[in-house]
Amino acid sequence: KQEVTQIPAALSVPEGENLVLNCSFTDSAIYNLQWFRQDPGKGLTSLLLIQSSQREQTSGRLNASLDKSSGRSTLYIAASQPGDSATYLCAVETSGSRLTFGEGTQLTVNP
Amino acid sequence: NAGVTQTPKFQVLKTGQSMTLQCAQDMNHNSMYWYRQDPGMGLRLIYYSASEGTTDKGEVPNGYNVSRLNKREFSLRLESAAPSQTSVYFCASSGQYSNQPQHFGDGTRLSIL
Repeated sequence: KQEVTQIPAALSVPEGENLVLNCSFTDSAIYNLQWFRQDPGKGLTSLLLIQSSQREQTSGRLNASLDKSSGRSTLYIAASQPGDSATYLCAVETSGSRLTFGEGTQLTVNP
Repeated sequence: NAGVTQTPKFQVLKTGQSMTLQCAQDMNHNSMYWYRQDPGMGLRLIYYSASEGTTDKGEVPNGYNVSRLNKREFSLRLESAAPSQTSVYFCASSGQYSNQPQHFGDGTRLSIL
């Protein structure tokens, strides 16, 4: 059974810092890995999707990497802003378009 | 830009009552999903539908039924609600091909007393 773990569970940083969120998964037979953002009381917003054949994806200040063989992904956020405060979720897609989610990292960026 | 719309947003039920959660998407997506989100458990897949007319069980299907009414709509029914089904329920949809991100609604917050 696929298991996804995210570390740390919570992170608080001052504005302007660069930061890294970590995600690990137990079964390397994945189609892709997805990073989502969830604001309080809201649904999930897709940030980046890395296909199993890719090593990284970038969108603006966000960069996600994937090392499938070791079962790890990182989400790098450059020059963090208070508006980046949210919970960040990692999910891996296996057969039948099924996503297995981690529990998330709650990020607070302090002005 | 409606995307994925879920109704209702909040609901309180008594144990044993029944209820249907509604979900509709306007992105012409083939696949639709129902998840529940619980503290300490993350999001878990209840049921999904790869296309109109098909449904499959996910990780936690017990106590739920689903209907893919048409390409746009995918409903989740609780026949006899139990306190263990208190949760936040999310509907999502995605395109026809693999490696496309899932799009989520804002959720239904359900409390069962």
